[in-house]
Amino acid sequence: ETGVTQSPTHLIKTRGQQVTLRCSSQSGHNTVSWYQQALGQGPQFIFQYYREEENGRGNFPPRFSGLQFPNYSSELNVNALELDDSALYLCASGLAWGQADTQYFGPGTRLTVL
Amino acid sequence: AQSVAQPEDQVNVAEGNPLTVKCTYSVSGNPYLFWYVQYPNRGLQFLLKYITGDNLVKGSYGFEAEFNKSQTSFHLKKPSALVSDSALYFCAVRGRNYQLIWGAGTKLIIKP
Repeated sequence: ETGVTQSPTHLIKTRGQQVTLRCSSQSGHNTVSWYQQALGQGPQFIFQYYREEENGRGNFPPRFSGLQFPNYSSELNVNALELDDSALYLCASGLAWGQADTQYFGPGTRLTVL
Repeated sequence: AQSVAQPEDQVNVAEGNPLTVKCTYSVSGNPYLFWYVQYPNRGLQFLLKYITGDNLVKGSYGFEAEFNKSQTSFHLKKPSALVSDSALYFCAVRGRNYQLIWGAGTKLIIKP
């Protein structure tokens, strides 16, 4: 086990709604990243936070937003949900900011948008 | 453009035989390469990484990977496969903005 936890495990929403996913990083880790993994595909990078600031973002629209808190927990918020947002959302934490840093993943939240 | 390719959707290996899961990459500068494994309904588990130094990297659960700069490859290997190694394997490279860029994954099936 990595020590990274995510909640909820599963979630069902309807198109147009808003959702908040939560992550608790491994103790001592300073970075948190969020990924979207569609069925049968590799993960896609959404964004990364370091010391509560967003310091990298993938090709996702602004309706995907996040927060990192002083206790290194974090949130992923998605507004105006679309059917294509249905996916496994993965949170990953790392010890330090840098190219060589290893990211440790939580079990994910399965989001279904109807 | 930075990318990772895993040319095989599925690899079938008999238990006890050696296994190889292939990965090639395209990135500017020195590559930082990673292998992860994903079991059904589970998150991604880190296996090993290449940063610099020895081209043969040893990781968890008896896995190792060989970095080949001239062939831009980072193949995952294990000398003797176990049925419990059956899972989905992902290769990734560190890209801009510190993101991980992932391959599409290779399903490894180990038959008893």
